[in-house]
Amino acid sequence: EDQVTQSPEALRLQEGESSSLNCSYTVSGLRGLFWYRQDPGKGPEFLFTLYSAGEEKEKERLKATLTKKESFLHITAPKPEDSATYLCAVQETSGSRLTFGEGTQLTVNP
Amino acid sequence: EAQVTQNPRYLITVTGKKLTVTCSQNMNHEYMSWYRQDPGLGLRQIYYSMNVEVTDKGDVPEGYKVSRKEKRNFPLILESPSPNQTSLYFCASSVRDTQYFGPGTRLTVL
Repeated sequence: EDQVTQSPEALRLQEGESSSLNCSYTVSGLRGLFWYRQDPGKGPEFLFTLYSAGEEKEKERLKATLTKKESFLHITAPKPEDSATYLCAVQETSGSRLTFGEGTQLTVNP
Repeated sequence: EAQVTQNPRYLITVTGKKLTVTCSQNMNHEYMSWYRQDPGLGLRQIYYSMNVEVTDKGDVPEGYKVSRKEKRNFPLILESPSPNQTSLYFCASSVRDTQYFGPGTRLTVL
């Protein structure tokens, strides 16, 4: 059974204070690892897909990396508008099901 | 505007009263999916559909039905709702690996 564990559950940062969110996963064969952002009361918003260990993707202040066991979402010099819950999900090679982690709730204070 | 729409957005109903939550996308996506989101459990996939007339179970399909008669629509049917189906429901559609989520339907079953 696929498993996805995100840490920490919640993270408070000061504006400009860089940090990383972790997503550890167990899957029989990884087809893709996905990162989403979710604002309160809204549906998740797609950020990145990573397919193989060593792959990296960037978007503005966000950078996602992938190893064989975990993925990191690095946030550089965050701003208050980066406050949201960040979700990680995995999809295995044998099917189309997605398994999500519980998310990391990020708060960036001005 | 490319979007996934869900109706209703909010619904309060009673145990056993059949209901349907509609989902429609205007992006001609083949893959569509339904999720429920509960505190402490994260997003869990209920059903997904790879294309018209092709549906498959996700992680928590019990108590739900779906149909995919047209590419744009993927309704979620609760034949006999129970209080444990009180949740926030999201529909999503995707092309390649970018998944677009709807705004959510908050369902309360009394």
